[in-house]
Amino acid sequence: DQQVKQNSPSLSVQEGRISILNCDYTNSMFDYFLWYKKYPAEGPTFLISISSIKDKNEDGRFTVFLNKSAKHLSLHIVPSQPGDSAVYFCAAKDSNYQLIWGAGTKLIIKP
Amino acid sequence: DAGITQSPRYKITETGRQVTLMCHQTWSHSYMFWYRQDLGHGLRLIYYSAAADITDKGEVPDGYVVSRSKTENFPLTLESATRSQTSVYFCASRRTSGREATQYFGPGTRLTVL
Repeated sequence: DQQVKQNSPSLSVQEGRISILNCDYTNSMFDYFLWYKKYPAEGPTFLISISSIKDKNEDGRFTVFLNKSAKHLSLHIVPSQPGDSAVYFCAAKDSNYQLIWGAGTKLIIKP
Repeated sequence: DAGITQSPRYKITETGRQVTLMCHQTWSHSYMFWYRQDLGHGLRLIYYSAAADITDKGEVPDGYVVSRSKTENFPLTLESATRSQTSVYFCASRRTSGREATQYFGPGTRLTVL
């Protein structure tokens, strides 16, 4: 029973356009959400996060939106660049401070 | 600034052999974690440790053993490797303080069990 779901295994976007990665969760007790980026043969690196008391957090080209009523968050990348091609993981923090991970979405930026 | 290092980066072993994956962090973070990454499953927690000599099971602990005698080291041992343990293993750490839960990852160990 996956508590954090990334339903799109892959996403292809033209360079310069917006990339939107989605994540759904089932546990309303999650109070903090994180996005990680992973390149091949490297470990995941932290990208951006959002507290459940907010609905938006922005950091440069990256914005995360949280819709608590829908139990949905999304990561927007604008504009998309070739270096953004990677696997993106969504994670949620539970009450024990553990992270529950989605399966990941592979983002491909086309030149 | 080494952060977290893992060794070996690649390992091939045979069914039934004992294998130990090493993890070392230079930040003095209290918490350390071991995950495995398999296609379609994301990251699954094997074991974690809140401090030296304190360890606890995660989602998929069977077949694995951990120890943490020093804050900076958190080795993971597969006592008798099985093919189902072929995976990429990541070690991570995080601070104790604050409301955030950001974890910092090592580069991973790709383990193949033949």
